[in-house]
Amino acid sequence: GEDVEQSLFLSVREGDSSVINCTYTDSSSTYLYWYKQEPGAGLQLLTYIFSNMDMKQDQRLTVLLNKKDKHLSLRIADTQTGDSAIYFCAETSNDYKLSFGAGTTVTVRA
Amino acid sequence: NAGVTQTPKFQVLKTGQSMTLQCAQDMNHNSMYWYRQDPGMGLRLIYYSASEGTTDKGEVPNGYNVSRLNKREFSLRLESAAPSQTSVYFCASSAGGTTEAFFGQGTRLTVV
Repeated sequence: GEDVEQSLFLSVREGDSSVINCTYTDSSSTYLYWYKQEPGAGLQLLTYIFSNMDMKQDQRLTVLLNKKDKHLSLRIADTQTGDSAIYFCAETSNDYKLSFGAGTTVTVRA
Repeated sequence: NAGVTQTPKFQVLKTGQSMTLQCAQDMNHNSMYWYRQDPGMGLRLIYYSASEGTTDKGEVPNGYNVSRLNKREFSLRLESAAPSQTSVYFCASSAGGTTEAFFGQGTRLTVV
């Protein structure tokens, strides 16, 4: 949506780190999410971060939040072919509506 | 666990035809959502139901209607399909608030 922006494509070599960036406009966002969509499938929640945090790490995933700049990033360490997918940034500032970015298609090359 | 189940998976309609997309969840979730996904635009919220008995418009409600039949089921109806409604439709549910949303596998709809 217009409120959440992310680059559309990222190509990364297997074994390298991937960094996917996202910016949002709503300063009242409370939770920010990263969802993963594999071909022909629905979205699955990868991780989320609360707006009063600046970093969250979960195994190979690191989320960084710069609330001042309204910038969110997802770093995937040691990227594997199974990480090839579309990654969506999303935010919510109220109880029920998620606003999604357009999605970043990540292609992992050998 | 089935999670969120959508039917049908694929559908081709002629302009002006009507149809209903079905969605059911077995997680006892309060909130349910319908999104459409178009290339380069991410997911856009069509309608949502915060709890049984309530429905509200999302970002792109025109041309659609919804029914929250009971706590499990939330259907999306196209009364008179248009080519602009060609898209992939996702149903989702959540316990409510800022909890995780679970998505169905999607319905790929083509209107010719």
